[in-house]
Amino acid sequence: DVKVTQSSRYLVKRTGEKVFLECVQDMDHENMFWYRQDPGLGLRLIYFSYDVKMKEKGDIPEGYSVSREKKERFSLILESASTNQTSMYLCASSLPGGSGANVLTFGAGSRLTVL
Amino acid sequence: DAKTTQPPSMDCAEGRAANLPCNHSTISGNEYVYWYRQIHSQGPQYIIHGLKNNETNEMASLIITEDRKSSTLILPHATLRDTAVYYCIVRVDAAGNKLTFGGGTRVLVKP
Repeated sequence: DVKVTQSSRYLVKRTGEKVFLECVQDMDHENMFWYRQDPGLGLRLIYFSYDVKMKEKGDIPEGYSVSREKKERFSLILESASTNQTSMYLCASSLPGGSGANVLTFGAGSRLTVL
Repeated sequence: DAKTTQPPSMDCAEGRAANLPCNHSTISGNEYVYWYRQIHSQGPQYIIHGLKNNETNEMASLIITEDRKSSTLILPHATLRDTAVYYCIVRVDAAGNKLTFGGGTRVLVKP
């Protein structure tokens, strides 16, 4: 019954490495989101997409990019990982506006450690 | 977005009803009230939402005051597995939304 799948549950990378976090949803949702969660800071929105090849910056896009080539897949890219990007990354998806845009289904999360 | 205010934490007894308050005094007429929860080490989980009327589903009930300035999430028979952080969010249902999660209420269900 898994609906939003994040490719890696735990990753350890080195400073300067390029990191790809993959997210796939099987609910045919238009909207997809990437958040990061840090102790004391809560969930913060990095990027979101409301259609294939469309992307919008969230509240903290610096140091990240995204790719949405197919409706079901939304990738988060760290071009050059830094230690301050050590965090839990959460992917989510939802229907378009007017039909449940704010009912998000989240993945289990990807815990990234940058050394 | 209408800002929400929730108590930072609360305890409740297993088997009893848990009543989680949320204030949203600046809510607009077309904004819905959403509740999510996040159990430790998991992604947030949608619980329920409503616009004006009270709502109930298999997880919880949502009571919205007549002036819509506050709401209460009710977990009718709390279990230990309901221990989580509960988020109240107010938002319009529209394209291009950025759903923002505040601090939430940390609920501890005790045996």
